[in-house]
Amino acid sequence: NAGVTQTPKFQVLKTGQSMTLQCAQDMNHEYMSWYRQDPGMGLRLIHYSVGAGITDQGEVPNGYNVSRSTTEDFPLRLLSAAPSQTSVYFCASSDRAPEDTQYFGPGTRLTVL
Amino acid sequence: GENVEQHPSTLSVQEGDSAVIKCTYSDSASNYFPWYKQELGKRPQLIIDIRSNVGEKKDQRIAVTLNKTAKHFSLHITETQPEDSAVYFCAALLGDTGRRALTFGSGTRLQVQP
Repeated sequence: NAGVTQTPKFQVLKTGQSMTLQCAQDMNHEYMSWYRQDPGMGLRLIHYSVGAGITDQGEVPNGYNVSRSTTEDFPLRLLSAAPSQTSVYFCASSDRAPEDTQYFGPGTRLTVL
Repeated sequence: GENVEQHPSTLSVQEGDSAVIKCTYSDSASNYFPWYKQELGKRPQLIIDIRSNVGEKKDQRIAVTLNKTAKHFSLHITETQPEDSAVYFCAALLGDTGRRALTFGSGTRLQVQP
């Protein structure tokens, strides 16, 4: 199993550009989530999904959209990038619920100029 | 709002000493408390977790204790080794029923001096 994979590893955007961060898992997990990690802070939840077709907002959803058309994939879209979205983004998955062991992807380091 | 507070933010110990990191949480209904280790440039990895029906859990040199009455939990690492150097995050399952999610502390940078 590859586990949780994320692409790209690094990305530089200009203010106002849009892009999609990809996340995929091959463990047949129902629960998937996106976090952002800023220096000196813990991970903050952006959006999460409890299964295909179901998504919900986390603590910091503004400026981000998600969809879950398949069990395997959970892309995160930045609609109009802002410098405040410069961060490291982690995708995670767990079997059915957030209290199941969460497995993190390797992260995407995003810089918005 | 609901949050998790973690202390200290940095911790330096000599190899072989013990390290203790403490977290407090705001929601008395929370029932799941994991700890993650994150090495520089790497992803967070679960090292131990505890659920509200137990007060302590051990795994070799690592232990976690939970005091539900006081709403705090702690990570204990004994006989520290240089490879324990990393950032450690606590988390708690917080939120309204049906919308619970992990809320993370701000992290503790542990440095083990050889």
